[in-house]
Amino acid sequence: SSELTQDPAVSVALGQTVRITCQGDSLRYYSASWYQQKPGQAPVLVIFDEHNRPSGIPDRFSGSSSGNTASLTVTGAQAEDEADYYCNSRGSSGDHVVFGGGTKLTVL
Amino acid sequence: QITLKESGPTLVKPTQTLTLTCTLSGFSLSTSGVGVGWVRQPPGKALEWLGFIYWNDAKRYRPSLKSRLTITKDTSKNQVVLIMTNMDPVDTATYYCAHRRTNCGGDCYSVLDYWGHGTLITVSS
Repeated sequence: SSELTQDPAVSVALGQTVRITCQGDSLRYYSASWYQQKPGQAPVLVIFDEHNRPSGIPDRFSGSSSGNTASLTVTGAQAEDEADYYCNSRGSSGDHVVFGGGTKLTVL
Repeated sequence: QITLKESGPTLVKPTQTLTLTCTLSGFSLSTSGVGVGWVRQPPGKALEWLGFIYWNDAKRYRPSLKSRLTITKDTSKNQVVLIMTNMDPVDTATYYCAHRRTNCGGDCYSVLDYWGHGTLITVSS
C-alpha cells in the first residue's frame, strides 16, 4: 500500500473547478509535488513545493496543503486536463520518495 | 534544454539482470546539487520511485528493492545506469529516468521536473 493516498477517480464538468487530494503522514513534514500523465506519455510536473508552478504550466493549476493533506485544484477545467494525476513527496523516513496511487480526472 | 533518454533491452527473462542506461543532455551530473531519479510504472498502475543518484555519488533506493538495485553514473559519458537483479514478471513496467529539480525555494528532494519518454521492459520467458 502507498504511503500517500489519492481518490482513484474524480470528474468535473467542463469549465468548473475540481480539487484532487493526497493524504499521508509525511505531508505534515514534507512538501508535495503533482504530476499530470496522459495516456502513453511521461509524467509532467505541474506543481512543486506545494504551490509553485513550473514555467509553462497554466495558472488554472494551483496547489495547497493543510495538515496531512495536499491538494491540487484545477480552476476552469479544460478538456485537455483529462489525465491521471499523481502526488509525490518524501516518505516517512525522509530519505526516500513515495508516489500516491494516482487520480484519474475525467472532464465531462 | 534538458532531456533524458532511456535505453536498454525490451525483453528480459525471469532471474536475469536488467541494465538500463539514461543518457543526459543539457545538464551534467558533475554539477553540485544535481540528481537523477528512476521511476517505473507497471501497465495500468501507479508510478513507483526506484532511486536517486546525486552529483556527489550519494544514492538512495526504494527500501523494498534495495537489495536488487544499483544505480551508477558515468559523468564522462553523461549517463546514469540502473541495474536490477533477479528480474520477475511483476517487474514488467515502463521505466523512466528523470532530472531532479535543483531550484525549488523549499525542498527539492522529490521533485522531478524533466522526464525521459520511458522504456517498456517486459519480463517473460
